[in-house]
Amino acid sequence: DGGITQSPKYLFRKEGQNVTLSCEQNLNHDAMYWYRQDPGQGLRLIYYSQIVNDFQKGDIAEGYSVSREKKESFPLTVTSAQKNPTAFYLCASSGSGLSTDTQYFGPGTRLTVL
Amino acid sequence: AQSVAQPEDQVNVAEGNPLTVKCTYSVSGNPYLFWYVQYPNRGLQFLLKYITGDNLVKGSYGFEAEFNKSQTSFHLKKPSALVSDSALYFCAVRAVWDTNAGKSTFGDGTTLTVKP
Repeated sequence: DGGITQSPKYLFRKEGQNVTLSCEQNLNHDAMYWYRQDPGQGLRLIYYSQIVNDFQKGDIAEGYSVSREKKESFPLTVTSAQKNPTAFYLCASSGSGLSTDTQYFGPGTRLTVL
Repeated sequence: AQSVAQPEDQVNVAEGNPLTVKCTYSVSGNPYLFWYVQYPNRGLQFLLKYITGDNLVKGSYGFEAEFNKSQTSFHLKKPSALVSDSALYFCAVRAVWDTNAGKSTFGDGTTLTVKP
């Protein structure tokens, strides 16, 4: 899992609540990413950021929000607008955001809606 | 649009036998190709990547993959499987012209089970 930490490991949310997932990296990477993983499916990109104070929507951004105030941190908020948030969420980072970069993944957060 | 197909949901092999996990891709232009492994309730770990050069790429834990441009494939192989290789394997593709690493497209994954 390299130098990327995600917390908490497990998170439970009630209907209508917003929750924030933490992602921190000490790899000095410029680019950071959030993915969602559902059983039997590949990873789907939610948001990505190639530099501090800038981020872009991925393929499934609706119902999610992010911020990138520091290079090391890229928190993801799952809002009440996300209709089916139960999933495994993975944060990743890469050196400079170039297409040749390897992405390094955190250990993941499993979110369950009660 | 780019895509990745991992045609087998599950691959079963006996320990000591060779293993192959298949991946085919579709991308506009030349591809960058990646293999990752995921153990239960963990993040993905990088195994190997093809960027350019030799079509046979060697990676971590004795794995290798062969890039075949004419067949648009990037199959993962290992000469002798270990029980500890049992995990979920993902293939990913990225277009060379796309400067954003996050624009990888991942396959749905193949569960490899190695039996003693």
